[in-house]
Amino acid sequence: QKEVEQNSGPLSVPEGAIASLNCTYSDRGSQSFFWYRQYSGKSPELIMSIYSNGDKEDGRFTAQLNKASQYVSLLIRDSQPSDSATYLCAVRNTGFQKLVFGTGTRLLVSP
Amino acid sequence: SQTIHQWPATLVQPVGSPLSLECTVEGTSNPNLYWYRQAAGRGLQLLFYSVGIGQISSEVPQNLSASRPQDRQFILSSKKLLLSDSGFYLCACNIVGEQYFGPGTRLTVT
Repeated sequence: QKEVEQNSGPLSVPEGAIASLNCTYSDRGSQSFFWYRQYSGKSPELIMSIYSNGDKEDGRFTAQLNKASQYVSLLIRDSQPSDSATYLCAVRNTGFQKLVFGTGTRLLVSP
Repeated sequence: SQTIHQWPATLVQPVGSPLSLECTVEGTSNPNLYWYRQAAGRGLQLLFYSVGIGQISSEVPQNLSASRPQDRQFILSSKKLLLSDSGFYLCACNIVGEQYFGPGTRLTVT
């Protein structure tokens, strides 16, 4: 079983729609959760971090965390073609300064 | 705010040649530093991390090595490159619990 799992996609949504990206993790003791956006050929960019159960909103982005279900998601409202990228979920495992990354979900937003 | 520099940006090297990639960080002191590799169409693989000068932890056995000669300098090396070493090499830095990536070095081994 992979430690951090994401659907590879592509997830296709029309411009203006809500994109929902999901991630599950296996270490129940994980404390910190992150979403990165990676454009083709570029390095990952941190867009959201979440540490406690519930929702965290930043502009058009909302991260949702449910530790009981070991599930973290990213919602992108009013999706734009510029949001087309691969989104990586990352989890910090208990007691370490290392992140475990999922393989990413490719998002395509069509005009 | 912190800035992570990596060079070179791109590199084409023949099999069997040596490698040296450099990462330097500005705007922070005593950071945790990381080297990742991302092969084409693959996920991020953690290669090495360092919590201080001279302290290196290796995540996977391979023909690569890392060194941290200064607080804000992290170097990735190889004595003899393999075809399988091709990929996108990323340096990352932890800042107050969040990890940020440098621009990366794209290495092609021919």
